[in-house]
Parts: sequence; C-alpha cells; structure tokens
Amino acid sequence: QVQLQESGPGLVKPSQTLSLTCTVSGGSISSGGYYWSWIRQHPGKGLEWIGYIYYSGSTYYNPSLKSRVTISVDTSKNQFSLKLSSVTAADTAVYYCARGPLGDYYFDYWGQGTLVTVSS
Amino acid sequence: QSALTQPASVSGSPGQSITISCTGTSSDVGGYNYVSWYQQHPGKAPKLMIYDVSNRPSGVSNRFSGSKSGNTASLTISGLQAEDEADYYCSSYTSSSTHWVFGGGTKLTVL
Repeated sequence: QVQLQESGPGLVKPSQTLSLTCTVSGGSISSGGYYWSWIRQHPGKGLEWIGYIYYSGSTYYNPSLKSRVTISVDTSKNQFSLKLSSVTAADTAVYYCARGPLGDYYFDYWGQGTLVTVSS
Repeated sequence: QSALTQPASVSGSPGQSITISCTGTSSDVGGYNYVSWYQQHPGKAPKLMIYDVSNRPSGVSNRFSGSKSGNTASLTISGLQAEDEADYYCSSYTSSSTHWVFGGGTKLTVL
C-alpha cells in the first residue's frame, strides 16, 4: 500500500519561502509510471493543483503559480519537495502531496495534508 | 471561482439515491473522458471514488457510479448511508495550460 506523508514548517512569514517534503513509502518514485503532485486547499475552499514532477525530474506547474513554484525530487530518499517563494497570507492552505498514473488524469493516493499558515 | 460548477449542497435520506452534477466546458469535461470524483470527510485527505468518468477504484463501493453527458459529469450515490456524508469534488483534465481543474465541492448531508 502506497503511503505519502507531508512534512515541513506549519508557519511561514510573509515574503519568505514555503518548503514542504513528501515522503513516499510502499512504492518507489524511481520505478516510473506515475507523476507526483502538490495540491492545496485554502481554508473552507476547494482544491487547487500546484504542479507535478516525474521521477526523471521533468516538471509541470500551474501557470498561476509558476513564477513562484519549484518542485524537485530526491529518488535516493524516495521524496519530492515543494518550494513556494514570496508567500503571502493568500498562500495559507492545507498542502497535499498526491500520486497520479502517467497517461491519465486523476490522483489515486494522497498524503494526509499539512496546514501551512503565512503570518508574521 | 472554480473552473467546474457543482451545487453547493445536496441532501438525501438513508437508502435514497442522490446525484451530484459537475458542469464544465468542451475544453475539459466535455472534451475528454478524464473526469474524477473525490470524497473528503472533515479534516481528512480526499479519497478517489471515480476515475475516467465511470471507473471505480478497487475497494470503492459499487453504490458509487459516474457518468457524463456533454459538458456535465455526474456522481450518483445509491443506497445512501450515514458514512457517505462528506464533501465531494469533481476534477477534469483541461486543454488549457492549467492541466487540471476542480469543482468547488458539494456538501452531501444524509438526513
């Protein structure tokens, strides 16, 4: 059973960089066949896809966030990470990591989510 | 404002059937068979219930079914149970550069 677990600071100051890591267990990122995504949910709101990475390192980002987002992968640790720069209060959200099958467009496994609050 | 339109809330009594709609455009729902549905209980991560319009992942009850007509996809839950009370989100691939779009979510109340 594949499991994903987000980790990182729960509080980030405005203008700083939000950094989160997703650790994958029960499956290897480097085996291919899946893309690894970050998705966020603002408090009481719907879902917003942030971007994804493939094990090779190729990425695709939501154009609305592209200028501030970097997603990277560390296959040796079976982890992938999110960096979101120049954060504001509008970036306060629950951040999820999720897996999706290559060639299709859904997310079959999700992490439990982590709340990141942007506040001074 | 979400790219896909869902009703804010629906309700039904135990044993009844309900349908949640998800309306998009020909650039997303209507153009591709890549609609998925997620169930989210309070404080929990979303759970995949339907993918590719009408496919159920292993372990998901056959009380959940999906369909699509034109630019509108639908999730039907039959034999409503108390445990079905949750928020439901639809999602679709989109030909726009956004790649994925989500609905705003529908709160299902089991009366």
